[in-house]
Amino acid sequence: DIQMTQSPSSLSASVGDRVTITCQASQDISNYLNWYQQKPGKAPKLLIYDASNLQTGVPSRFSGSGSGTDFTFTIISLQPEDVATYYCQQYDNLPFTFGPGTKVDIK
Amino acid sequence: QVRLQESGPGLVKPSETLSLTCTVSGGSISSYYWSWIRQPAGKGLEWIGRIYTSGSTNYNPSLKSRVTMSVDTSKSHFSLKLTSVTAADTAVYYCARDPGGYRFDSWGQGTLVTVSS
Repeated sequence: DIQMTQSPSSLSASVGDRVTITCQASQDISNYLNWYQQKPGKAPKLLIYDASNLQTGVPSRFSGSGSGTDFTFTIISLQPEDVATYYCQQYDNLPFTFGPGTKVDIK
Repeated sequence: QVRLQESGPGLVKPSETLSLTCTVSGGSISSYYWSWIRQPAGKGLEWIGRIYTSGSTNYNPSLKSRVTMSVDTSKSHFSLKLTSVTAADTAVYYCARDPGGYRFDSWGQGTLVTVSS
């Protein structure tokens, strides 16, 4: 299985701050990576697919980049409603695997 | 707007079989992959497996010996069976739609299944 790691595991930032999360794959996965947002008690929501494509309806303050083994997810200007846990997911190989998540809250 | 709804027992005894159904409404069940994903309390996401509307399946090797998925397009639902459950199978179980075979763009609300005697 392809192992996914994320850093940091949690962060606290102020409203309006730029927030960056990194995701690393245990092997080259090209751009076969998605990002999800999960708010407490809710199902995950797809934000970014193919490493950098914004899912329809998702605010443009969210973005993704990277290829190979190293990927970045950015919130350009953190909003209160962005408090959530963020997960990366690879789809280069089955089984699909997720990163352990990064919990984001407001300072 | 497609809607997915999981249903099934919230409590299953150890060694018995967990059975869940996901009903799809507001959109077609045809020509999509449909996955099951679970999340133990306070932990991350684990992909269990998927089924295409043709009936073709892929399972996570870690669970493959215990998992069976099926689809009934006439009833617009698909199902998960997980045999010989233990406490380690206690989790919120989600069903999700996968339009291209690689991303989950619609999810059910999730259903908590507890394995306990």
